[in-house]
Amino acid sequence: DVKVTQSSRYLVKRTGEKVFLECVQDMDHENMFWYRQDPGLGLRLIYFSYDVKMKEKGDIPEGYSVSREKKERFSLILESASTNQTSMYLCASSLQPINTEAFFGQGTRLTVV
Amino acid sequence: GQNIDQPTEMTATEGAIVQINCTYQTSGFNGLFWYQQHAGEAPTFLSYNVLDGLEEKGRFSSFLSRSKGYSYLLLKELQMKDSASYLCAVRDRTGGFKTIFGAGTRLFVKA
Repeated sequence: DVKVTQSSRYLVKRTGEKVFLECVQDMDHENMFWYRQDPGLGLRLIYFSYDVKMKEKGDIPEGYSVSREKKERFSLILESASTNQTSMYLCASSLQPINTEAFFGQGTRLTVV
Repeated sequence: GQNIDQPTEMTATEGAIVQINCTYQTSGFNGLFWYQQHAGEAPTFLSYNVLDGLEEKGRFSSFLSRSKGYSYLLLKELQMKDSASYLCAVRDRTGGFKTIFGAGTRLFVKA
């Protein structure tokens, strides 16, 4: 079974802190994604990556950055956390070609106070 | 731009059939997915449609009409464990093959 593991289930951070959310997948998938999920808004794409050291902006990249130094790991960085970044963050991975389903991690519920 | 609409909530009875609709607008349609998400858990893949028609997989079926920008997920012989959110997602090849999700439909199955 494909496993996508996010480093934390719950995080509480202070406004202005730099926050790292880590995601690791164990099935050699090329594609990795970061979404945030908010009530009534569904999943919104923050960043995605098709290959190592490659990244593309999603629909809401402002206030975030990403890093993909190794194929299995995709990190989401909140440069200076703000209260409006309180959300559920979901990491996903998928195989090439791009029309295959995504496998999601369990999510990280981040609260910024 | 892109837009995906699905009902916010639905209620159905155990053993019945329920149809969850999804309409979408996108400039570069490249496939439609349905995912199931139980409360507090990760979404899991249910179905994928890229051509018009019905795809059947056990108790779940998914239909696509590209000309109408319309899909539905059909759940038969409903069970209590089917109570979950159902997410419609569209892949768009413009801007790098992004997958855009709808807000999801919360389905409540009652005895």
